Amino acid sequence: GAGVSQTPSNKVTEKGKYVELRCDPISGHTALYWYRQSLGQGPEFLIYFQGTGAADDSGLPNDRFFAVRPEGSVSTLKIQRTERGDSAVYLCASSLNRVTGEQYFGPGTRLTVT
Amino acid sequence: KNEVEQSPQNLTAQEGEFITINCSYSVGISALHWLQQHPGGGIVSLFMLSSGKKKHGRLIATINIQEKHSSLHITASHPRDSAVYICAVPSGMDSNYQLIWGAGTKLIIKP
Repeated sequence: GAGVSQTPSNKVTEKGKYVELRCDPISGHTALYWYRQSLGQGPEFLIYFQGTGAADDSGLPNDRFFAVRPEGSVSTLKIQRTERGDSAVYLCASSLNRVTGEQYFGPGTRLTVT
Repeated sequence: KNEVEQSPQNLTAQEGEFITINCSYSVGISALHWLQQHPGGGIVSLFMLSSGKKKHGRLIATINIQEKHSSLHITASHPRDSAVYICAVPSGMDSNYQLIWGAGTKLIIKP
């Protein structure tokens, strides 16, 4: 595709449920990033993939959050036992490689935990 | 860890005015990002620059590495330029992916 896509665009779920958020990066981009943006705040780094491997997952808030990128393209962010505090816009970005660095952002997934 | 300051926080101007948004950071970096965020959350990368100046259409970004300062300029501003403009820098020289984000400048251009 022409840009980074994310699905779903909106997700409403009940507290305690499991959710998966998908990111489809720009074709050929080896680096992929997940961020979380809470209302009124700047995006917060969650995890960075280089290829299939998570090069840095230090931003994941706790072990309820997990992300995969099994084939080095599409990535899925998984949240178990969702809490109301997880409500935020989850942003995905990709870049050609870490050295190039310019990050192209997807439209985000707005997660609401009720 | 880098710290980023943007100014002004809010800016309202008339259509056609020349706009300047400033960004200062505290730790040496490999490159600085300017991004635009429209209501509804979508983020668009405007520039990534490590030195000098870049121009794209009516947007110009400059950076002074020695002074740890960057500016984003908009010439002949238009109401569709209304958005939040964000400056972001890596947390350190080797961490271009862990971006530290400024608080953003909310720009409103009135017709």
